[in-house]
Amino acid sequence: GQNIDQPTEMTATEGAIVQINCTYQTSGFNGLFWYQQHAGEAPTFLSYNVLDGLEEKGRFSSFLSRSKGYSYLLLKELQMKDSASYLCATMDSNYQLIWGAGTKLIIKP
Amino acid sequence: DAGVTQSPTHLIKTRGQHVTLRCSPISGHKSVSWYQQVLGQGPQFIFQYYEKEERGRGNFPDRFSARQFPNYSSELNVNALLLGDSALYLCASRLEGAGHMAQYFGPGTRLLVL
Repeated sequence: GQNIDQPTEMTATEGAIVQINCTYQTSGFNGLFWYQQHAGEAPTFLSYNVLDGLEEKGRFSSFLSRSKGYSYLLLKELQMKDSASYLCATMDSNYQLIWGAGTKLIIKP
Repeated sequence: DAGVTQSPTHLIKTRGQHVTLRCSPISGHKSVSWYQQVLGQGPQFIFQYYEKEERGRGNFPDRFSARQFPNYSSELNVNALLLGDSALYLCASRLEGAGHMAQYFGPGTRLLVL
């Protein structure tokens, strides 16, 4: 079967660092994506990992371990505008995205 | 460059009616996917089209259908609407080829079925 798990909600402080974890079980694997979605808006692409390791892009970094079926999104120097839902998704062998339910991140001053 | 566009932005229908949602991909993108997103959940895959052919279909009833036109725009049709079809319908396009894996989303159509 296919399953993606991520925490429902997390809270962090402005200026701090937060790590959002994602574990997955999928049939066929063509990479793992992280998207950001503000309330009432469409998801926007953050990162793509297909090989093990860390990909850094500005304040955001994403890590993948294929053997463990595990990924995390690391957000540094948190800003109030980072308050959003963060969606983890895997791409299967048919290039279709399977999504987690999302992690709602609340940033406090 | 224009991103993915969708129309209409909002729609209110009653049970039993049908609806047509439209999507124009980013210029040069030939792959279009449709998703349904219910509040508080991740998107659920409905259809994927590439070069006017259906490449994949999610676990949705036959009331849902779609097509892609020669200009790569796409329509999603839903017949015999149910209350449970109320959701945000998202269209995403992708540039096919190695190194182009990301899907880019339009603003969505928010459908309310009464």
